[in-house]
Amino acid sequence: AQKVTQAQTEISVVEKEDVTLDCVYETRDTTYYLFWYKQPPSGELVFLIRRNSFDEQNEISGRYSWNFQKSTSSFNFTITASQVVDSAVYFCALISVQGAQKLVFGQGTRLTINP
Amino acid sequence: AAGVIQSPRHLIKEKRETATLKCYPIPRHDTVYWYQQGPGQDPQFLISFYEKMQSDKGSIPDRFSAQQFSDYHSELNMSSLELGDSALYFCASSLQWDIQYFGAGTRLSVL
Repeated sequence: AQKVTQAQTEISVVEKEDVTLDCVYETRDTTYYLFWYKQPPSGELVFLIRRNSFDEQNEISGRYSWNFQKSTSSFNFTITASQVVDSAVYFCALISVQGAQKLVFGQGTRLTINP
Repeated sequence: AAGVIQSPRHLIKEKRETATLKCYPIPRHDTVYWYQQGPGQDPQFLISFYEKMQSDKGSIPDRFSAQQFSDYHSELNMSSLELGDSALYFCASSLQWDIQYFGAGTRLSVL
C-alpha cells in the first residue's frame, strides 16, 4: 500500500521568509512518481511538479525548489522569499506505476504567508 | 491552453435526491479521474476511465456511478444523496498515464 505523510498541518510565516514543506512517502514499488499540488483559497488543484523514482536530482523553478531523497523517502518543497500569493494548501502525492494510476495524497499543509 | 471543465461549479440538493456532475477533459486527453474532497481533507480517488472503459475504482459508494462517453467527457451520477456526500468533487484528465490536471471542482451541498 502507498502512503503519504505531511506532518505539518499548518505553517505560518512572515512574507519574504523561506519555508519548507515536508513530505514523507511509503511504497513497496520501485517505480513511482511524486507530485506537489497547490490548492489556493479559490479551491482548484494546481499541478506544480512531478518527479520519478529514478531521478533524484533536485529541481528549482523560480522561488520554488524540491529536494527528493530516496534514502529517507522524502520529497520536500521549499519556497524562497515567500509572498502572500503563496498562501494555500499544498498537497504532496504519489502514484505507483505498477498499481493503479490513482493519486494518493498526503493530508496537506496549510501555508499562510502574513504581510 | 484549454483546461478541464467541470459543471456545475456549485450544486445544492436535498437528501435522497440525485445529482449529475459533468467533466470535459483537456482536448486529446483520453483518461479521466474523479476525486472527492471532504471539508479539511485530502482528495480521495473515486473512479477512473481510460478510452471510455473503467480502469480503476476506489472508495466509491454503490449509489454513485460514472461513465466516459465517446467524446471523452465523463459524468458522475450520484443517487439517494446523503448529508455526508457534501464535498468538493474534482475531475482530472491526463494523456494516458501522464500528469493529471484538475478542473476547478464542483462543490456539492446536500441539505
